[in-house]
Amino acid sequence: SYELTQPPSVSVSPGQTASITCSGDKLGDKYACWYQQKPGQSPVLVIYQDSKRPSGIPERFSGSNSGNTATLTISGTQAMDEADYYCQAWDSSLYVFGTGTKVTVL
Amino acid sequence: QVQLQESGPGLVKPSETLSLTCTVSGGSISSYYWSWIRQPPGKGLEWIGYIYYSGSTNYNPSLKSRVTISVDTSKNQFSLKLSSVTAADTAVYYCARGGITMVRGVYDAWFDPWGQGTLVTVSS
Repeated sequence: SYELTQPPSVSVSPGQTASITCSGDKLGDKYACWYQQKPGQSPVLVIYQDSKRPSGIPERFSGSNSGNTATLTISGTQAMDEADYYCQAWDSSLYVFGTGTKVTVL
Repeated sequence: QVQLQESGPGLVKPSETLSLTCTVSGGSISSYYWSWIRQPPGKGLEWIGYIYYSGSTNYNPSLKSRVTISVDTSKNQFSLKLSSVTAADTAVYYCARGGITMVRGVYDAWFDPWGQGTLVTVSS
């Protein structure tokens, strides 16, 4: 079965850039999306189709996908961005989630 | 805007069947793919399966033998049944609207929005 691997944790200082990676075999040949999940809340879609932002998602969230790695970038990270982030792709007619990354804003 | 709300028992006994319903408001269920997703306490997300409004389904192979998802378009609801549950099925269960479209020859699949989630505990 297809697997998406993320680093367990990423730390970032306020105002700096956080990069979260998602690795999978030939992931660049698929579309990746990203979800933000704050404690006690449901996940929220922040990036779809590799790099598009749904309405209402701040411009500081951006995405890219090439080769075996998709990346979510948070520019000018704010305290409110502290959350778990999950990537997700579609493979063999199945939705597949990444392992998740906890972003800590120090 | 579309909103989803899960409902059902919060406690299920081992070996019994877990049953949940998701009510969709603010939009019609007669399009999109409607999914169930779960998250064990402190762990990651696991897609369970989806149903299209026409009734066609697709399930995670790891759960396929125990899962049934159905839809009631007249009530704008879809439901999950998970049989023979064990403690490993304890999780927050989410319902979500899913999109699956082909863009430039590649499938684009996502979930938006999600319900608030409901914790189901399997215990005697």
